[in-house]
Amino acid sequence: DQQVKQNSPSLSVQEGRISILNCDYTNSMFDYFLWYKKYPAEGPTFLISISSIKDKNEDGRFTVFLNKSAKHLSLHIVPSQPGDSAVYFCAAFGGGSNYKLTFGKGTLLTVNP
Amino acid sequence: DAGVIQSPRHEVTEMGQEVTLRCKPISGHNSLFWYRQTMMRGLELLIYFNNNVPIDDSGMPEDRFSAKMPNASFSTLKIQPSEPRDSAVYFCASRLTGYNEQFFGPGTRLTVL
Repeated sequence: DQQVKQNSPSLSVQEGRISILNCDYTNSMFDYFLWYKKYPAEGPTFLISISSIKDKNEDGRFTVFLNKSAKHLSLHIVPSQPGDSAVYFCAAFGGGSNYKLTFGKGTLLTVNP
Repeated sequence: DAGVIQSPRHEVTEMGQEVTLRCKPISGHNSLFWYRQTMMRGLELLIYFNNNVPIDDSGMPEDRFSAKMPNASFSTLKIQPSEPRDSAVYFCASRLTGYNEQFFGPGTRLTVL
């Protein structure tokens, strides 16, 4: 069973526009969520996170929104840049575990110049 | 800091051979994780060490897999004997206990022929 789902395998946007990457989860015990970015031949790099006690966290061009009732989170990138082109992974943990990250399968974002 | 270091970056071996993957965590980090990434299953946690002690190895697929952490700066993941279905990218990650973000190495791409 896939507890963290990223239903869009890919997304293409124009430079300067907003990128919205979505993530759904099924485990209501998850209480901390992270987004990672991954370039080819590199490991995932931590991008931004949010605790379940918040509904929004912002860091520069990146904002993560959490809707607990819908078990949904999203990552907004504004404005998108060609260097943002990468695979983005949503991850979560909780329910008594503060270490076991459950990852989605990722969304490939392509930002076109 | 150099980040998490993994070696080798690529490994090609034949079925039945022993494979050893190596990881050096970020200095000062006392938690270490081994993950495997495949197309079918995405990123999965194999084993988690805290202060060099294996805490959770429930993700290790079978007895052919073993992991050790003899000291705070070195860990190995061994597969013996290797099988074609072990072909994947193996990532090592580390973090400081008390912090949620895990820092990933560049990964080892393993191909078992």
